[in-house]
Amino acid sequence: QKEVEQDPGPLSVPEGAIVSLNCTYSNSAFQYFMWYRQYSRKGPELLMYTYSSGNKEDGRFTAQVDKSSKYISLFIRDSQPSDSATYLCARVSVGSSASKIIFGSGTRLSIRP
Amino acid sequence: DAGVTQSPTHLIKTRGQHVTLRCSPISGHKSVSWYQQVLGQGPQFIFQYYEKEERGRGNFPDRFSARQFPNYSSELNVNALLLGDSALYLCASSPDRATNEKLFFGSGTQLSVL
Repeated sequence: QKEVEQDPGPLSVPEGAIVSLNCTYSNSAFQYFMWYRQYSRKGPELLMYTYSSGNKEDGRFTAQVDKSSKYISLFIRDSQPSDSATYLCARVSVGSSASKIIFGSGTRLSIRP
Repeated sequence: DAGVTQSPTHLIKTRGQHVTLRCSPISGHKSVSWYQQVLGQGPQFIFQYYEKEERGRGNFPDRFSARQFPNYSSELNVNALLLGDSALYLCASSPDRATNEKLFFGSGTQLSVL
C-alpha cells in the first residue's frame, strides 16, 4: 500500500466550478500535509501547508485534513483555466537526520473555458 | 531574486553512461534536496544535503551519489545508467534542513536514457 494515494484523473471541469481533489494516507504518525501544483515541464510549487485537522483557507483554495479517516482534500473555488495543472498531495516524513516529503502520484486537472 | 536553477534542462544518455546534474539553490538557502519524478508519478526523495553533509537518503541504489559545495550548490551523479533512470530530476532548496513549508523546487533536468 502506498503511503499517500491519489486518484490520477484526469479531471475536467468547466470554468467557475468548484473542484475537489482528494488523497488518503496510511500512516498516522506524521502530521504535516501539503498540496503542490505542478505545471507541465515545471517543478512543483507549494500551495498549502497544514499540520492539523480542520480547514485552512488561502484565497480560492481550502485545504482540509480529517485525521480520523486519514483523508486530505483540496477545494478550489471559482476555478480558472490557469488552474489547469497536476496537483500533488504530500506529507512530511521526519527521519532521524532529515526531513523528506512523500508525494502522491498527482491528479491531472483541466479547467474548460 | 533568482529561484532554484538547474542545469542542463534536458539530457540524453545511453545505458551504462554516467551523468552529472547541477543545482544552484536560492540565495541564503543552505539545504538542498534531490527528487526523481518518473512520468505519471509524484517526486520521490533521493537525498538531502545541509551544510555540505548528507542528512538523508531515500531508497535508491549506490549508483546515485551527490555532494554539496561550500557555496551550497549541489551535484547529483548517477553511474551505470539504466533505462529506468529516465525521469525528471528535481532539486529543491530550503533555508534550513527542516523548514519544509519553505521548500522551493527548480524546473528540473529531464534525463532520457536510451
